[in-house]
Amino acid sequence: KAGVTQTPRYLIKTRGQQVTLSCSPISGHRSVSWYQQTPGQGLQFLFEYFSETQRNKGNFPGRFSGRQFSNSRSEMNVSTLELGDSALYLCASSVSVGLFTEAFFGQGTRLTVV
Amino acid sequence: GQQVMQIPQYQHVQEGEDFTTYCNSSTTLSNIQWYKQRPGGHPVFLIQLVKSGEVKKQKRLTFQFGEAKKNSSLHITATQTTDVGTYFCAGKSGGSSNTGKLIFGQGTTLQVKP
Repeated sequence: KAGVTQTPRYLIKTRGQQVTLSCSPISGHRSVSWYQQTPGQGLQFLFEYFSETQRNKGNFPGRFSGRQFSNSRSEMNVSTLELGDSALYLCASSVSVGLFTEAFFGQGTRLTVV
Repeated sequence: GQQVMQIPQYQHVQEGEDFTTYCNSSTTLSNIQWYKQRPGGHPVFLIQLVKSGEVKKQKRLTFQFGEAKKNSSLHITATQTTDVGTYFCAGKSGGSSNTGKLIFGQGTTLQVKP
């Protein structure tokens, strides 16, 4: 079974630009969550999509948005990039069976804003 | 909002010594999960604890979930160089057991000197 695939792996953007990151979950997984990882803040939850609907949202500004398609693939968009948006963006797909949920992470997209 | 605190932030040990990382939540958790992230890698699921007071073992790793379901620990016996990485706890609050949203601790980075 293929794992979670994130593209691109690396990205360099300038301040003020916008960026779109892509995540293809494991086949059959309908939940896709996005996290921002920085050395100082650890893993911060951005949002979760389930069946094309945003089910949960973290405490990030409106510049961060996402969507999920009917095939469960998800995209994350960041507009008006700031230097502080430089981070590793991780996508995780999961399927819940009762109380058991295991999140499978992709390799991440390393975004550098200059 | 819900917070998960993890200590220590860093731990350097001599190979063969034991290691423990602790996790505390501001709210009662429905379950807690542990992940390991190798340098340059992505978080990989280790285990999930669901029951109050639960203890699980994986070879040299022992995981505990507190009686009040607000704290957890990971203990590694006789560390090896392959144990190097950052260990994260991640919790789900009682009201979000059926979602993919995880609140991560800041992680404990383990260095093992051979």
